[in-house]
Amino acid sequence: GDSVTQTEGQVTVSESKSLIINCTYSTTSIAYPNLFWYVRYPGEGLQLLLKVITAGQKGSSRGFEATYNKETTSFHLQKASVQESDSAVYYCALGDLPNYNVLYFGSGTKLTVEP
Amino acid sequence: EAAVTQSPRSKVAVTGGKVTLSCHQTNNHDYMYWYRQDTGHGLRLIHYSYVADSTEKGDIPDGYKASRPSQENFSLILELASLSQTAVYFCASSSLGGYAEQFFGPGTRLTVL
Repeated sequence: GDSVTQTEGQVTVSESKSLIINCTYSTTSIAYPNLFWYVRYPGEGLQLLLKVITAGQKGSSRGFEATYNKETTSFHLQKASVQESDSAVYYCALGDLPNYNVLYFGSGTKLTVEP
Repeated sequence: EAAVTQSPRSKVAVTGGKVTLSCHQTNNHDYMYWYRQDTGHGLRLIHYSYVADSTEKGDIPDGYKASRPSQENFSLILELASLSQTAVYFCASSSLGGYAEQFFGPGTRLTVL
C-alpha cells in the first residue's frame, strides 16, 4: 500500500535560518499521487499549507516551498528564513488511486523556531 | 469561512464503555472523515463518508462504527472502548474531487482507562 515517511520527529531552528523537512513516499499505484503539506498550529486542526498534483512541479505558500520529485519519490518542505510563528507540526500526505480523497499521512515533524 | 467542529474536545472513558465522538461541518462538503493519531504516528483513516446515510471503512476500522445522519454531521462510535483506543481523533471534511483540500477540526483527545 501507500505510505509516507518523515524521518525527523522534531526539528529546532533559530529564527531567520533556513529549514528543510524531509518527506519521502511510497506508492504501488501506476499513477502519480497528489502530494500535500499540512500544518497544525497549537490548539488548532490541521490546515493545508501547499499541494502539488503534477510530478516535477513546485508548490509554494507563506514562504514555504516543496518540489514533487518522482525520481527520488520525495517532497521535501523548505523555507529560506523561518520565523517564530512558523513553530508548528508539519505533516506530509499523499492521495492516490483508487480514491484520491483518501489521504495517507506521515508521522509529522514538530518545528520549534528559537528567537 | 469553512468550519469543522468536534465535541467533546477531550474525554475520559472507562474500558468497556460506549463512546460517541461528534463532528459537525458548515462547509456544505460531501466528504467527511475520521482519523486517529497516536504519538509518533501519522494520522490514520478510520472511516469516511461521501454521502449521508452511508459510510466507508478506512485503513483501521476495527473497533469503530461511524454514522452520517446528515450531510453536516458525522459521528464515530466506540461500542466497547479499549485501552488501545486512547488517541487524538480528528474529523475532516472536503468537497468532491481528488484534489480537494481537507478541512480539519481541532481534535478530540480520548483517554480510555
